[in-house]
Amino acid sequence: SQQGEEDPQALSIQEGENATMNCSYKTSINNLQWYRQNSGRGLVHLNLIRSNEREKHSGRLRVTLDTSKKSSSLLITASRAADTASYFCATDEVKAAGNKLTFGGGTRVLVKP
Amino acid sequence: NAGVTQTPKFQVLKTGQSMTLQCAQDMNHNSMYWYRQDPGMGLRLIYYSASEGTTDKGEVPNGYNVSRLNKREFSLRLESAAPSQTSVYFCASSDRTGFNQPQHFGDGTRLSIL
Repeated sequence: SQQGEEDPQALSIQEGENATMNCSYKTSINNLQWYRQNSGRGLVHLNLIRSNEREKHSGRLRVTLDTSKKSSSLLITASRAADTASYFCATDEVKAAGNKLTFGGGTRVLVKP
Repeated sequence: NAGVTQTPKFQVLKTGQSMTLQCAQDMNHNSMYWYRQDPGMGLRLIYYSASEGTTDKGEVPNGYNVSRLNKREFSLRLESAAPSQTSVYFCASSDRTGFNQPQHFGDGTRLSIL
């Protein structure tokens, strides 16, 4: 079963535009993480937001978390062709042991030059 | 800066064959994980090892076994491969010093079962 569900499943934008993707989850979490996966590669950690945080910024990335709605968003500003990738949210659930993560199905982002 | 290294990168097996996927990390992490990723989907946890000497089942453990050989190495074994196990397999590690730790991934093993 997948804890996180991402929306949209796919996104196509022009270089310079902003890209926003959302993640919804079902159970209580310790934190929510966002990862990027380039074609044919492993996942790369982008950001971690704890359950008591509401917003985090890292360069061109902004992550929000609304625990009352059990949702998170990832915003990429001023997108570049190199941002073309799949983006996954993952939840670290309160009830899970061993720092396990549950991944969503991902959003495929295409940035056109 | 090797991080997490997986071998092999590609493998084709026949149904019924056995195989071991290798994973090693050089970050002195306590926890290690094996995931599978099917086309167009997210990752599903197969097995994990919270610390050296311990292993536990994840979401989809059937048909697999694991060995935490030492702190650095965590292997995944398919005893009798089936076409349904065709997938991309990722190994990851994290520092279990506390909660709220990111996971670091290898580049995957692409496995096809004919």
